[in-house]
Amino acid sequence: DVKVTQSSRYLVKRTGEKVFLECVQDMDHENMFWYRQDPGLGLRLIYFSYDVKMKEKGDIPEGYSVSREKKERFSLILESASTNQTSMYLCASSPQGFNSPLHFGNGTRLTVT
Amino acid sequence: KQEVTQIPAALSVPEGENLVLNCSFTDSAIYNLQWFRQDPGKGLTSLLLIQSSQREQTSGRLNASLDKSSGRSTLYIAASQPGDSATYLCAVDGGSNYKLTFGKGTLLTVNP
Repeated sequence: DVKVTQSSRYLVKRTGEKVFLECVQDMDHENMFWYRQDPGLGLRLIYFSYDVKMKEKGDIPEGYSVSREKKERFSLILESASTNQTSMYLCASSPQGFNSPLHFGNGTRLTVT
Repeated sequence: KQEVTQIPAALSVPEGENLVLNCSFTDSAIYNLQWFRQDPGKGLTSLLLIQSSQREQTSGRLNASLDKSSGRSTLYIAASQPGDSATYLCAVDGGSNYKLTFGKGTLLTVNP
């Protein structure tokens, strides 16, 4: 079974801090994604990557950056955390090509105070 | 822009009932449609993926259908159990840089 592991289940940070959310997948998938999920807004794509060192903006990239130095690891970075970035963050991966299901991690609940 | 709608937002049924969850989308130019399950506070688990050329997919008590021309998909759950209680989300893949468009989900409660 594919395993997507997010390093933290819960995280509390202060406004202005630099925050790193880490995601690792163990199935050699080319594609990796970061979503955030908010009540009433559903899932929204922040960034995705289709290869090492490659990245593409999703629908809401403002305030975020990403890093993919190794195929199995995709990091989401909040350069200066703000309260409106309090959310559930979900990492996902999929193999290259169409018609491949997404595999999600268990999520990181981030609270910015 | 693709929009995905799931109605109802919440559904409560007694155990043992067969039920249908609905998903509609506005742009029929899709590669596939995926159904996911999400338990409270957890990530999403992929249930079924229907390719655009397919009409339905089955896995155990779950059956998903796809009607591209009308922009609709249904997820049929047979003989529901309390363990089926979760939020069910559908997502369509329009083939554009692997971006999925998600619906907001249907919260299903199966009462013992």
